[in-house]
Amino acid sequence: GIQVEQSPPDLILQEGANSTLRCNFSDSVNNLQWFHQNPWGQLINLFYIPSGTKQNGRLSATTVATERYSLLYISSSQTTDSGVYFCAIISSGSARQLTFGSGTQLTVLP
Amino acid sequence: DTAVSQTPKYLVTQMGNDKSIKCEQNLGHDTMYWYKQDSKKFLKIMFSYNNKELIINETVPNRFSPKSPDKAHLNLHINSLELGDSAVYFCASSQDNRGNQPQHFGDGTRLSIL
Repeated sequence: GIQVEQSPPDLILQEGANSTLRCNFSDSVNNLQWFHQNPWGQLINLFYIPSGTKQNGRLSATTVATERYSLLYISSSQTTDSGVYFCAIISSGSARQLTFGSGTQLTVLP
Repeated sequence: DTAVSQTPKYLVTQMGNDKSIKCEQNLGHDTMYWYKQDSKKFLKIMFSYNNKELIINETVPNRFSPKSPDKAHLNLHINSLELGDSAVYFCASSQDNRGNQPQHFGDGTRLSIL
């Protein structure tokens, strides 16, 4: 099946710093989503981005489908950005369920 | 209004019991899903229904039985609960099952087996 690898697995930042999270995948995709799982366990949709670039406030994401990777940028990080960030994909040739990466645990220190 | 809502949020029960988790979406979507998140936070699909029909069943034990009375609801019934069933269960929905629309997730149900 399709492989989804996220890096880094853990990231600790000081408030105000910028960061880049990466998602590599092994097949062409129909769907790529970035989620933030907050400390209360909720999965928050950040981006639906099978290709191209999107921005939402301090967050932006870019997917280069031909090179099979996606990047999530967090600028001017805040303590409320802490949590686990997941990349999830649906490959073009597979059954229609999301395959999740193992996540990046982000901790933003005050 | 909550788009995908699950009840209960927390469920603590004894091994061997039978329990149900309910999910409802008000987005008008055709497709609904159940995912399981284990203790290491790994998320994996369990089931998917499209217009009340089962389309994905990922080698989940027979003790788990999803039921979709209509396309806005997908409930999960678990028989003879085991310690390994402790996890967070997420319901999700998408517009259709073609795989090119975003999935929207509920807040999860944390199941703890004593």
